[in-house]
Amino acid sequence: SAVISQKPSRDICQRGTSLTIQCQVDSQVTMMFWYRQQPGQSLTLIATANQGSEATYESGFVIDKFPISRPNLTFSTLTVSNMSPEDSSIYLCSVRWDISYEQYFGPGTRLTVT
Amino acid sequence: RKEVEQDPGPFNVPEGATVAFNCTYSNSASQSFFWYRQDCRKEPKLLMSVYSSGNEDGRFTAQLNRASQYISLLIRDSKLSDSATYLCVVEDTSGTYKYIFGTGTRLKVLA
Repeated sequence: SAVISQKPSRDICQRGTSLTIQCQVDSQVTMMFWYRQQPGQSLTLIATANQGSEATYESGFVIDKFPISRPNLTFSTLTVSNMSPEDSSIYLCSVRWDISYEQYFGPGTRLTVT
Repeated sequence: RKEVEQDPGPFNVPEGATVAFNCTYSNSASQSFFWYRQDCRKEPKLLMSVYSSGNEDGRFTAQLNRASQYISLLIRDSKLSDSATYLCVVEDTSGTYKYIFGTGTRLKVLA
């Protein structure tokens, strides 16, 4: 099975700053997604990362706040911009291959904004 | 009505017990369903996909009832290590492969 890694695993940031989270897979994948899990809540999809084009954002999430890149089939980044304490969450990437329809999750990035 | 609904629990059961969780979904056109397990401070891990005919994997059985629009997860002979949050997931029908998550059901298996 593939290995999905995320960097950083956790960070504490000051409000007003930005953090870029990386998601790396050790094999090529068809689709990559970014989710947020706020404390005590389930997962909410932020966007689908599209290779070579702009990400597709869900309602309530915008590119200026959460810019996403996906330069190739194994790597994506999510930036959380101009952070506020409300952005404190776990951010997870997930991947999907064409041969199956399950998604597999990275270990997550735990972000605390002070 | 929420798209995917679960009883948040917690379900506290003794070791060896059988426990069942249900999950209802609102879109009758949904085709793909999954159960994920999430341990505290960890990422969700795929437990089972749910097939129309039902499927079993060891102590775990998943079933789909399309008429009533629910899926279920049955855990037999519960172990302490089964303590976790179980997430019901329905794949979006728009062709985008997005997942819609339920809120999760917490299970605690007691010694």
